[in-house]
Formats: sequence, structure tokens, C-alpha cells
Amino acid sequence: NAGVMQNPRHLVRRRGQEARLRCSPMKGHSHVYWYRQLPEEGLKFMVYLQKENIIDESGMPKERFSAEFPKEGPSILRIQQVVRGDSAAYFCASSPEGAINYGYTFGSGTRLTVV
Amino acid sequence: AQTVTQSQPEMSVQEAETVTLSCTYDTSENNYYLFWYKQPPSRQMILVIRQEAYKQQNATENRFSVNFQKAAKSFSLKISDSQLGDTAMYFCAHSNGGTASKLTFGTGTRLQVTL
Repeated sequence: NAGVMQNPRHLVRRRGQEARLRCSPMKGHSHVYWYRQLPEEGLKFMVYLQKENIIDESGMPKERFSAEFPKEGPSILRIQQVVRGDSAAYFCASSPEGAINYGYTFGSGTRLTVV
Repeated sequence: AQTVTQSQPEMSVQEAETVTLSCTYDTSENNYYLFWYKQPPSRQMILVIRQEAYKQQNATENRFSVNFQKAAKSFSLKISDSQLGDTAMYFCAHSNGGTASKLTFGTGTRLQVTL
């Protein structure tokens, strides 16, 4: 049973380009969460999605960031017109219905570097 | 809003010794959950232990145990018989009760286990 799969592991983008980060939840998990970790900091919540629905996006920057979790396929975190401050590790986590409080399963993260 | 504070940026312990990592939190909720996550150099976020606020008994997982002081809003992690593989960043996290709940993380404690 594969864990939460994130790709790419590393992503380098020039300022102004778009970054697409993908997350495939564990089999049977219908909830996906995205977190961002800036250097030397803890993880900060960005968005929580269920299939085809955004449940909580209170941590998402208002501009340039969007997320989706389609009926088929992985969840995508999209960052348009990237800036140097977007450089961070982006983690995805998943959980089955109602299991958040058991501590959901994290992927290994995507490290985004904006040059 | 919930906050989680880890006041020890770095700790060091000798192999086979015991170390305690501190965490305090602030919440207005009565039902909530607390977690310790380990992040080794591989960057993977690994759940170490969880505690339900309504349970008075401290959680234990093998060499890992917590000292949960609800009134003081304190949630420390004790690692007994430290091993070299315990070297990692350790993050304390909080979530409210309910299925749509996000994790709030502290800034982490870097633990180095030495020979």
C-alpha cells in the first residue's frame, strides 16, 4: 500500500513561471491537505480538499495560488507567476473520512526553488 | 486562533539517555488533539505520538511518552533510551475536534543524538 505520493520531489522555476505540484493520496483516502514549510519553520496549513470540493482554504494566499482535487487523478497545487518568497517545501497529507484526529499521513514533500 | 510554542530550538542528548522536548499551546476549545511529529533529514513527516485532550492518561508509544498538563496547556515529549536514529526535527502540533480540522504546528526542536 503506497503512501502519499508527491511529485516532483524537487522543482526549480524561474520567477514568473508557473509551478504545479501533484499529490496522490493513499488508497481509500478522500481528504487531502496542503501545507507549506518555509526554511527553519514549522508547517503552515494552506488548504483542505475533498474530491471536487475545497473545504477550507483559509491558509491560501489570496493571489496566484490555487488547488484542486478532481474526481479522477491527483490533487494539484498550482502557483502562478512564482516569486522568490514562494521557495519552500510543500507537503501534502491525506486521511480517510473522519480520521484527521488520528494524525493523517504526509507525503515526502516537494521542494520548490524559485531562481 | 490556536498557537503552538516550542521554546527549545535545539537540543542534544547522548545515546541511551533520556531527553524531554517542551511544547505549550493555546486554545479556547475544550475538545482537541495534540501530536508530536518527527522530521528526519529525509524530510518525511512521521507521526510519533498523539494525545486526546479529554483523556487524562498520558499517551505512550514504546520509548516515546508525553506529559500532558491540560490546565497548564503543556504537552512535552519524553524520549527514553535515545538512539542515533532519533536525530531529527520534532514538531508539536494541535488540532481541534471535528473532521474538518487542520493542524497548527510549532516551529520545531532540532534534536541531535550523540555517541
